Amino acid sequence: DAGVTQSPTHLIKTRGQHVTLRCSPISGHKSVSWYQQVLGQGPQFIFQYYEKEERGRGNFPDRFSARQFPNYSSELNVNALLLGDSALYLCASSSPGGRNNEQFFGPGTRLTVL
Amino acid sequence: GEDVEQSLFLSVREGDSSVINCTYTDSSSTYLYWYKQEPGAGLQLLTYIFSNMDMKQDQRLTVLLNKKDKHLSLRIADTQTGDSAIYFCAGGGYNKLIFGAGTRLAVHP
Repeated sequence: DAGVTQSPTHLIKTRGQHVTLRCSPISGHKSVSWYQQVLGQGPQFIFQYYEKEERGRGNFPDRFSARQFPNYSSELNVNALLLGDSALYLCASSSPGGRNNEQFFGPGTRLTVL
Repeated sequence: GEDVEQSLFLSVREGDSSVINCTYTDSSSTYLYWYKQEPGAGLQLLTYIFSNMDMKQDQRLTVLLNKKDKHLSLRIADTQTGDSAIYFCAGGGYNKLIFGAGTRLAVHP
């Protein structure tokens, strides 16, 4: 079975632009979470979606938004990009009640804002 | 608020044991996790421990949990060059994980 997939792998944008990142969860997983990992730091929680509804939100500005589709894939949108948004964006999928509540991470999308 | 702290760097000789330490503030986590991240890669779950356990052993990995001191450690026996990576401890559940800043493990001959 395929793991969590994310696209694109790398992305370069300029300040003020917007970006859309995509994530496909493991088949059968209905929950998707997004994390931002700035260089040299641990991942920080942005959003969690379950059954197309937002179930959790981290301490990020309203420029960050997300949604989940009927097939459980998800998009993360970031508007009015700032230099500080440069990071690795990780998507994780999970199955509520699954073994040890494990979240399975994708390889990430590396966003560079110039 | 919730916080997880780790030492930033550890250097060991190949074949020795490595011990990576972590302290956390949120005692409501059902599970505590150790993730490994290699350069340019995502996160790989190494092992986890249920919050009511004191110790868990999984091949070369041993996790110790001291709930009173809110201290978690990961011991890697017979450390190999392939173990060189960044190791993150994390608390939480299926909906949200709180990560430490990561410990960079360097293994030298």
